[in-house]
Amino acid sequence: DSGVTQTPKHLITATGQRVTLRCSPRSGDLSVYWYQQSLDQGLQFLIQYYNGEERAKGNILERFSAQQFPDLHSELNLSSLELGDSALYFCASSTRDSNTEAFFGQGTRLTVV
Amino acid sequence: AQSVTQLDSHVSVSEGTPVLLRCNYSSSYSPSLFWYVQHPNKGLQLLLKYTSAATLVKGINGFEAEFKKSETSFHLTKPSAHMSDAAEYFCVVRPFGNEKLTFGTGTRLTIIP
Repeated sequence: DSGVTQTPKHLITATGQRVTLRCSPRSGDLSVYWYQQSLDQGLQFLIQYYNGEERAKGNILERFSAQQFPDLHSELNLSSLELGDSALYFCASSTRDSNTEAFFGQGTRLTVV
Repeated sequence: AQSVTQLDSHVSVSEGTPVLLRCNYSSSYSPSLFWYVQHPNKGLQLLLKYTSAATLVKGINGFEAEFKKSETSFHLTKPSAHMSDAAEYFCVVRPFGNEKLTFGTGTRLTIIP
């Protein structure tokens, strides 16, 4: 158990819909990262938050947004969903110390039908 | 800017033979380096990490990696492959004083019985 909790584990939704994925980081970790993993694109970095502020942005579509709340949990919002958004979405957390690793949740598998 | 190159997208070895997964990195500052493993439909698990201490790092499940600054490499090895090693492996770099994680594209390891 990494200490990072993601909910839900599985999500099936229709095209055009909006979903919210939730991530609770490890206790004490201020950084949260979101990644998308699909068969054709591999592991893609989406966005990173540190203590509530956006720190880095990767290949995140405009239809996607995220935030980190004062209690440090984070949510990834995906809207106007397309079939191609079907993927495994991972959240990871870490401290600011660059000597420490990131800890990954088990992921949310999103299927868009 | 940092980057990671995993030189092989797919490696196949016979059970009981050595494993070598290659990783080269570039980083502006002294980096920390990590190897993660992902078994099918699972989250990413840390195998080992280098954080400027010993250049030969031992990890879980008999894996080890050697940091070679002159070659900017951090190759992952195991003396004898086991069927349970079949998975995807990711090399990750994190520069000193930086929260950003940069992932390689992954190497899929197949073990032949």
